[in-house]
Amino acid sequence: DAGITQSPRYKITETGRQVTLMCHQTWSHSYMFWYRQDLGHGLRLIYYSAAADITDKGEVPDGYVVSRSKTENFPLTLESATRSQTSVYFCASGDYTGTGVAEAFFGQGTRLTVV
Amino acid sequence: SQQGEEDPQALSIQEGENATMNCSYKTSINNLQWYRQNSGRGLVHLILIRSNEREKHSGRLRVTLDTSKKSSSLLITASRAADTASYFCATSTQGGSEKLVFGKGTKLTVNP
Repeated sequence: DAGITQSPRYKITETGRQVTLMCHQTWSHSYMFWYRQDLGHGLRLIYYSAAADITDKGEVPDGYVVSRSKTENFPLTLESATRSQTSVYFCASGDYTGTGVAEAFFGQGTRLTVV
Repeated sequence: SQQGEEDPQALSIQEGENATMNCSYKTSINNLQWYRQNSGRGLVHLILIRSNEREKHSGRLRVTLDTSKKSSSLLITASRAADTASYFCATSTQGGSEKLVFGKGTKLTVNP
C-alpha cells in the first residue's frame, strides 16, 4: 500500500525495556521525522533525517536513538523506556524543495504507554 | 523551546463565522505550513506559504505571512461543524539539515 505506515499502533511496555517503533514510507521522500505529541506541548521534534545515513537531533532527543540505513525506513528506539516517554508518536515524511521541506505526510501514530 | 506558537490555544465559534488563528515563530524560515488534526488522528497538510510570499488562498483558507514580525495567520471563512479540529503551524528552518518544527496548536470548535 502506498503511503506512510507506523507499527505498532499501540504498545504497552515496562520501565527499563527497549522499544522500537517502526516507520515505513513508499514515496522515497528524502526527509523523515519523528515527533511526540503530549497534551499542552503540541508536537515536539525528536529526530529527523535528510537522507539515508543522515540524522539530526530535534528538540527532545534524549533517551531516543534513530537510524536510517534505507530511504524508506526510519525506526525510533527508546533505549530504556521511562514513564515520561508515555506519549503518542508520529512519523512523517516529505521532500525538500528549493524553499524548504515541502508538505509532510503523517503516519497514523503509535500510542506508547510505559508502565 | 518550540519554534511556532499558536494563538489562541482554543477558539469556539458558531457555524458560518470566520475563524482566525495566529502563529508566531522565532528564527528565519524557508516556509511556513498549516496542518489540521482531527481528534486522535495524524496531521493533514492544509497550505504552505514561502518566506517570499505574503498571502495565499486555498478554498476557504487564507494564510498571511509577515516575516518582519515573524508571524502568520490562518483564516477559515464560513466555518462548518466539520472544521472542528486542532490546527498547527509548522516552520521549515535550517538546523544542520532542514527541519520542520511545530507549535502547540489551536483547538477550534465550530458549534452547529
